[in-house]
Amino acid sequence: SQKIEQNSEALNIQEGKTATLTCNYTNYSPAYLQWYRQDPGRGPVFLLLIRENEKEKRKERLKVTFDTTLKQSLFHITASQPADSATYLCAPGAPGGYNKLIFGAGTRLAVHP
Amino acid sequence: DAGVTQSPTHLIKTRGQHVTLRCSPISGHKSVSWYQQVLGQGPQFIFQYYEKEERGRGNFPDRFSARQFPNYSSELNVNALLLGDSALYLCASSSQGAWGDTIYFGEGSWLTVV
Repeated sequence: SQKIEQNSEALNIQEGKTATLTCNYTNYSPAYLQWYRQDPGRGPVFLLLIRENEKEKRKERLKVTFDTTLKQSLFHITASQPADSATYLCAPGAPGGYNKLIFGAGTRLAVHP
Repeated sequence: DAGVTQSPTHLIKTRGQHVTLRCSPISGHKSVSWYQQVLGQGPQFIFQYYEKEERGRGNFPDRFSARQFPNYSSELNVNALLLGDSALYLCASSSQGAWGDTIYFGEGSWLTVV
């Protein structure tokens, strides 16, 4: 079955640095992948969608890459701020032709002043 | 514009009881999906509906059911509640429910089964 792996340990970085989060997937080849931010007790908030024919996508301080050979997506936050502290979820599209996401467990990011 | 809205936000039920959770999608969105998120894990897909038809079902028992109404709102029903059903239930909407559409989530309904 499909498996999504994200760093289980929290990522602690200093304000102003670039945070890099990793998402690895196995046993299938998703054609697109979405990244979400989730704050404690809240629903996930959509950040970026990247398709398999797009190597990289940017939105303000966010950048996502999608390497179908390595079966990996990287999520970068540049010039990180304490307000970026949250859990970030990787969600590749599932096979099957309809709009279903398979989520990783998420990586918790803590940005320290 | 309002996002995905869900009700109730929190509820406590006893084992064996039944629960109904409600969702209104973003205006203009025709597809609604339901996900279950247990503490410490990512959301897990339960159902997807489009134009009142079930398009997909995750690996959940028959105690879980859902439906979509003509105005595209949706209900998730869970019968014979178990302690393990305690979770955050998330409703999500997308424009056509098509492959690759962006999916937007509501704030969820917190269900505690005691």
